[in-house]
Amino acid sequence: DADVTQTPRNRITKTGKRIMLECSQTKGHDRMYWYRQDPGLGLRLIYYSFDVKDINKGEISDGYSVSRQAQAKFSLSLESAIPNQTALYFCATSDPHQPQHFGDGTRLSIL
Amino acid sequence: SQKIEQNSEALNIQEGKTATLTCNYTNYSPAYLQWYRQDPGRGPVFLLLIRENEKEKRKERLKVTFDTTLKQSLFHITASQPADSATYLCALGGNNYGQNFVFGPGTRLSVLP
Repeated sequence: DADVTQTPRNRITKTGKRIMLECSQTKGHDRMYWYRQDPGLGLRLIYYSFDVKDINKGEISDGYSVSRQAQAKFSLSLESAIPNQTALYFCATSDPHQPQHFGDGTRLSIL
Repeated sequence: SQKIEQNSEALNIQEGKTATLTCNYTNYSPAYLQWYRQDPGRGPVFLLLIRENEKEKRKERLKVTFDTTLKQSLFHITASQPADSATYLCALGGNNYGQNFVFGPGTRLSVLP
C-alpha cells in the first residue's frame, strides 16, 4: 500500500462547486503539505501543517482551505471552484527538515 | 521574493553521456537543497539531499554539488540510460519556521538510445 494516499485521483467538476481532496499517510510524519502543479510553474505550496494544531498558509492559499483531522489526515477544500484552479494537486509528508514523501496526485478539472 | 531557476525546461542527451542539470536561486539562504525525480502521472520522488556545509554528495550514478557563494547546485547523472528520462526538480529548505520549502520549475530530461 502507498505511504501517502490521495483521493480522488481524478475529478471533473463545474465552476462554483465545493470540492474536497483528501490525503492520508502511514508514514507517521507530523508535517503535511498541499501543493498544486501547473506546467512551467512547478510545485507551489498552498497550505502546510506541522502538527494537528498547526495550520499555515503557503504561497497561494487564496481560494483554498484545509483541515487537519488527525496526524494521518489532511484535506484540502475549494469552497467555490473556479476554472483557474484546474491543476494537478499533490499532498506530501515529512519529518522536520527531511525529504518529503508525495502522493500520486489528484488531477482536478473545473469546467 | 524567493526565486529558483533550473537551467532549461528540457534537456536531451545521448545514452551513456553525463547529464548535468543546474539549479540557481536568489533571495534565499537555504540550509539544505534537495533533488527529486518526477515521472508522468506520479508524485516527485526524493533522490538526494545536500546541506549548506557540504560541497558534494554522491549516490550510485548521481552526484550533487552545492555552492552557496554562487547560489547554485549542479545535479549530474553519469552513464545516463533511457530509464533516467524524467523531470528533475530541485527544492530549497531552511531551518527557520517561516522559511518554506520551495521547488524549482523542473527540467525534463530525455535520454536518447
